[in-house]
Amino acid sequence: KNEVEQSPQNLTAQEGEFITINCSYSVGISALHWLQQHPGGGIVSLFMLSSGKKKHGRLIATINIQEKHSSLHITASHPRDSAVYICAVNSNLRAQKLVFGQGTRLTINP
Amino acid sequence: GAGVSQSPSNKVTEKGKDVELRCDPISGHTALYWYRQSLGQGLEFLIYFQGNSAPDKSGLPSDRFSAERTGGSVSTLTIQRTQQEDSAVYLCASSPQGNYGYTFGSGTRLTVV
Repeated sequence: KNEVEQSPQNLTAQEGEFITINCSYSVGISALHWLQQHPGGGIVSLFMLSSGKKKHGRLIATINIQEKHSSLHITASHPRDSAVYICAVNSNLRAQKLVFGQGTRLTINP
Repeated sequence: GAGVSQSPSNKVTEKGKDVELRCDPISGHTALYWYRQSLGQGLEFLIYFQGNSAPDKSGLPSDRFSAERTGGSVSTLTIQRTQQEDSAVYLCASSPQGNYGYTFGSGTRLTVV
């Protein structure tokens, strides 16, 4: 079992829908990251969380430390949101090294 | 520069040849990471540099892989005697101190034929 599990692996939705991507982890962490990878490989860091909730534009990230679970939400989704969303954690044992989930491929159709 | 720069962006090499991949991190970022993403796979940690400390090489898959970081800035990942399974996108990232504020490069797509 991977230390970081994401669901769903693939998600297709219509423009305007509310999107939720889930991340569960099995190790103690100091921080959790949500990353966005567009076709062509470039990766952008969206959020870093250690507790609570963060919001940036239409993106919202939440984390529940007790349940070892995080969610990434996209409101009013748009085709340009189509990308692979990756959850990654800094584990307490090796804080400097990110452990990645397998990613969620999101496709937003117009 | 404004971001993490990697070169080349694409590299096709023959099996058995050596390749060098370059990463130019954001100026002032003390932490530098190399990751690998094979086709259809998630990101895999390779090596981590932090300042003048000894690098964490625990992710390097074999002794054909090595990396240097000269002067605390530019890093070179070298793969000797390339194999077809080395084909992947190699991503570099830097951060101000490590474990937060990562900036990723666009990657080098390596194809071994």
